[in-house]
Amino acid sequence: DTGVSQNPRHKITKRGQNVTFRCDPISEHNRLYWYRQTLGQGPEFLTYFQNEAQLEKSRLLSDRFSAERPKGSFSTLEIQRTEQGDSAMYLCASSSTGDNEKLFFGSGTQLSVL
Amino acid sequence: AQTVTQSQPEMSVQEAETVTLSCTYDTSESDYYLFWYKQPPSRQMILVIRQEAYKQQNATENRFSVNFQKAAKSFSLKISDSQLGDAAMYFCAYRSADAGGTSYGKLTFGQGTILTVHP
Repeated sequence: DTGVSQNPRHKITKRGQNVTFRCDPISEHNRLYWYRQTLGQGPEFLTYFQNEAQLEKSRLLSDRFSAERPKGSFSTLEIQRTEQGDSAMYLCASSSTGDNEKLFFGSGTQLSVL
Repeated sequence: AQTVTQSQPEMSVQEAETVTLSCTYDTSESDYYLFWYKQPPSRQMILVIRQEAYKQQNATENRFSVNFQKAAKSFSLKISDSQLGDAAMYFCAYRSADAGGTSYGKLTFGQGTILTVHP
C-alpha cells in the first residue's frame, strides 16, 4: 500500500467555479478525515467519516462544501461557487478503528481561486 | 474547546546540536493524546511522536523526545543530534480520548514552528 493518495495535487480555478478533490485512504482504514490548511497555519478540521457515514462536520464547512464517501472507500470533497477565501491546501487523512491516534496524511491538494 | 499554541514561529539549530520546540495547550479534559507532526516541503504530514496524557513517562522515539508537563499543560519536543533532514514545519496537535465525544478522532493543531538546520 502506498499510503493516502490525493488528486489533483494542484488546482487553479476561477471564482464561481465548482471544484472536486479526491482522496484514496489506506485500504484497511475505515476512518477518513478532511482538513484545510492556509499558508503559515496549522490544519483545521473540516469533517470525518467512519466507513460511509459522515459523523462530524466543522462549522468551517459552509453550505458550499460537501463531502462524500460512497461505499466507505475513497472520498470526494466538492466546493461549489468557489471564493478567493477558499484558496488553501486541502488535506486528507485516514486511520483505523482501534488505532485512531495514528492518522496518516496525504500530500494534499493545493487550491488557488483566482 | 481545546486550543494549542506554539509560540515560536521559527527556530534554527546547527547540525548535530539539540533543539527544543515549545507547545502549550488548553483543555478541560483529563484524558487526551498529544502529538508532534512534521511537515516537510513535500507537504505530507508525518507523525513524529505521540503522548498519552494518562502516562507520566515522557515518550521517546530515537532522537526525538518530549517533555510532557500535564499540570502546566506544556508539551515540548526535543530533537537531539539534529540532521539536515529534520528541517521542516513542526506542528503540535491535541486529540480527545473520549470515544463517546463528538470530537473523537479530530486533531486540533497549533500554528506551527519552522525549523531550519544549518550545516
